[in-house]
Amino acid sequence: SFELIQPPSVSVSPGQTANIACSGDDLEERYVCWYQKKPGQSPVLVLYHDTKRPSGIPERFSGSNSGNTATLTISETQAVDEADYYCQAWDSSALVVFGGGTKLTVL
Amino acid sequence: EVQLVESGGGLIQPGGSLRVSCAASGFTFNDYAMNWVRQAPGKGLEWVSYISSDSSTTYYGDSVKGRFTISRDNAKNSLSLQMNSVRAEDTAIYYCARGDSSGYDYWGQGTLVTVSS
Repeated sequence: SFELIQPPSVSVSPGQTANIACSGDDLEERYVCWYQKKPGQSPVLVLYHDTKRPSGIPERFSGSNSGNTATLTISETQAVDEADYYCQAWDSSALVVFGGGTKLTVL
Repeated sequence: EVQLVESGGGLIQPGGSLRVSCAASGFTFNDYAMNWVRQAPGKGLEWVSYISSDSSTTYYGDSVKGRFTISRDNAKNSLSLQMNSVRAEDTAIYYCARGDSSGYDYWGQGTLVTVSS
């Protein structure tokens, strides 16, 4: 079955760039979305169609998708970006798959 | 303003049934596909089910297929999830979310379902 694999955790210093990877078979052939999830809050869509930002999402958030890996990049990372991040894609049967999530720590 | 408000969560015994609902407002409900996504305590997001704007197409995750049923009432701007034969592993916060392959752009605040004897 189709799976999305994310690293459990990523650490970054304030002001630096964070890269969060999401791996899956032939992922470049599928659209990937990314969500930010903070404790006690609902998820927020930060990227869709691999690279597109919804309105209100800072330009610091960007994405790429090549080969078997999609990447969420957060430039000039701030303390407010500390959260869990989830990638999402659709399998060949149009069923939705989420990655296991990556905890981003800004320290 | 787009709003999605879930309701109906609570404590339920294993093997029981529960119906959770989502009231939508601030947008043309029958123009959008809708979904249920859950998060178990300490775990990640898990997609549960999808329904197209006109209810013609529904999908389910493997863990709930055959036990849960998604439905919507476009006249009442309402989305529902009927949960039957519930198990301890169904314990989670259940979110309704608007969207499709372009992403889920609006989410409700979630409703907690606890399965325990």
